[in-house]
Amino acid sequence: QSVLTQPPSVSAAPGQKVTISCSGSSSNIGNNYVSWYQQLPGTAPKLLIYENNKRPSGIPDRFSGSKSGTSATLGITGLQTGDEADYYCGTWDSSLSAAVFGGGTKLTVL
Amino acid sequence: EVQLVESGGGLIQPGGSLRLSCVASGFNFSSNAMSWVRQAPGRGLEWVSDISSGGGSTYYADSVKGRLTISRDNSKNTLYLQMHSLRAEDTAVYYCATVRSRAGRFDYWGQGTLVPVSS
Repeated sequence: QSVLTQPPSVSAAPGQKVTISCSGSSSNIGNNYVSWYQQLPGTAPKLLIYENNKRPSGIPDRFSGSKSGTSATLGITGLQTGDEADYYCGTWDSSLSAAVFGGGTKLTVL
Repeated sequence: EVQLVESGGGLIQPGGSLRLSCVASGFNFSSNAMSWVRQAPGRGLEWVSDISSGGGSTYYADSVKGRLTISRDNSKNTLYLQMHSLRAEDTAVYYCATVRSRAGRFDYWGQGTLVPVSS
């Protein structure tokens, strides 16, 4: 059971937009920055979004992040087949004194 | 280019010990906090441990406290994870990563090394 809650899967057609939610509590998302990671099949995770809505160099602006209260959202526009991956949210939990992740969301581009 | 290369994984029996290494290049290793994150087969990500840039401060997940020890040698640009009393539930791919400690933000990741714990 993950501390942060994500939907197990989402799907959309190429070119469309999809959002992935990440729900937590005041001890984690509510009072800390959220990061998002993309894990392509058979590869290591890669930082996609940090500090709720910032993109590292090289990440296209098709990827966006937002946070409101104890929830965060990853948005992906102009979906491509190459976006098929598992996506994880992560943050710090001040009560647990631990980094925590969501269970991951598998994105299928139909 | 930032590179993190893990090694040391392999089949180990329950109760056994293993040491993982992660060699870093392409950035100022001694100025960065580092972390180990693991992923059990078919499962999600689990934070294991952090170490400060100088090595003086370490942090552990409750699930590994007392059995796993993180350390680093800044003269060799190398991060370590000493693992003792291994259990079947420790079976995972272990990734090293650069970390903004106490922020849950992992900027760069290695390719991972697999540790299967089985008799």
